[in-house]
Amino acid sequence: DVKVTQSSRYLVKRTGEKVFLECVQDMDHENMFWYRQDPGLGLRLIYFSYDVKMKEKGDIPEGYSVSREKKERFSLILESASTNQTSMYLCASSPLGREQFFGPGTRLTVL
Amino acid sequence: KQEVTQIPAALSVPEGENLVLNCSFTDSAIYNLQWFRQDPGKGLTSLLLIQSSQREQTSGRLNASLDKSSGRSTLYIAASQPGDSATYLCAVRSGANNLFFGTGTRLTVIP
Repeated sequence: DVKVTQSSRYLVKRTGEKVFLECVQDMDHENMFWYRQDPGLGLRLIYFSYDVKMKEKGDIPEGYSVSREKKERFSLILESASTNQTSMYLCASSPLGREQFFGPGTRLTVL
Repeated sequence: KQEVTQIPAALSVPEGENLVLNCSFTDSAIYNLQWFRQDPGKGLTSLLLIQSSQREQTSGRLNASLDKSSGRSTLYIAASQPGDSATYLCAVRSGANNLFFGTGTRLTVIP
């Protein structure tokens, strides 16, 4: 079975802090994704990566950056957290052109 | 830009009933369509993936259909059970890799 893990289930940070969300997949998938999910807005793509050190902006990249130094790991970075970044963050991975598999999510609260 | 709509937003049915969830999308040029299940506070579980060349996919009590020309998909759940209670999301892949999600239908199966 595909396994996608995220470093934290719940996280509470203060405004202005630098926040790292980690995602690891164990199936050698080329693609990895970061989404955020908000009530009434659904899932929105922040960034994705199709290879090591490669990244593409999604629909809402502002305020975020990403890092993919190894194939199995994709990190989402909030350089200076703000209250409007309070959300559920979901990581996913997929082989090229195939179905996406999701991690359990990280619920981030920024105070 | 692709837009995905799911109606109704919420649905309650008695146990044992067969039901249909609807998904529509605005751009018929899709690569595939994926149905997910999400339990409260959890990540997404992939249920079915339909490639653009396929008309339907089945898994156990679930059957998903795709009519690309009309921009519609349905998820049929037979003999519903309380354990089927969850939010069901559909997502279409239009671009190279990313998915466009609907906002989901929250299903409650009443024992």
